[in-house]
Amino acid sequence: EDKVVQSPLSLVVHEGDTVTLNCSYEVTNFRSLLWYKQEKKAPTFLFMLTSSGIEKKSGRLSSILDKKELFSILNITATQTGDSAIYLCAVVLPPSGSGAGSYQLTFGKGTKLSVIP
Amino acid sequence: DAGVIQSPRHEVTEMGQEVTLRCKPISGHDYLFWYRQTMMRGLELLIYFNNNVPIDDSGMPEDRFSAKMPNASFSTLKIQPSEPRDSAVYFCASRETGGSEKLFFGSGTQLSVL
Repeated sequence: EDKVVQSPLSLVVHEGDTVTLNCSYEVTNFRSLLWYKQEKKAPTFLFMLTSSGIEKKSGRLSSILDKKELFSILNITATQTGDSAIYLCAVVLPPSGSGAGSYQLTFGKGTKLSVIP
Repeated sequence: DAGVIQSPRHEVTEMGQEVTLRCKPISGHDYLFWYRQTMMRGLELLIYFNNNVPIDDSGMPEDRFSAKMPNASFSTLKIQPSEPRDSAVYFCASRETGGSEKLFFGSGTQLSVL
């Protein structure tokens, strides 16, 4: 059973459009939620959210977390072709099993964004 | 810092062959993670190490998979024997204790088993 669900799975928009990507999660002992951008290679970090209602912003990208409703959104305004990528959401889970070990990230399947000129 | 370094970038092999993937974490990072990415299942955690010790290998799909971390700067993921369903991108990632949960990823190894 998926603990982190992203929607939509894919999205095609035109340059200049604004997009909203969704991430819902179902975990106990929530610590934080992270967004990554994956182009052709390694996922690169965008944001980490720990507090509800506080927006994180970087240029045209912004993200917010709702801990009550268990979701986060990633907004991209004035999209450019360089924004085309897979956007991954990850939730930090507590150690599995007996509790030994460290917190670890569980990823959603991602949203593939294609921005066309 | 050069970041997390993985090799090879691409690996094409035949079913039944042994495959070894390599990873060098960022210096000073004491956590190392191996993930596998497929279209169907997304990014899945296979195993992770802390201070070179395997902590949780519950994500390793079966006994054909094994991972080692002989020292703080090197880890391997081995598949023996390989099967076509192992075809995927394998990522290594690292982070440091006491830091945030943010992971730094390598560029991945694209594995194709024919």
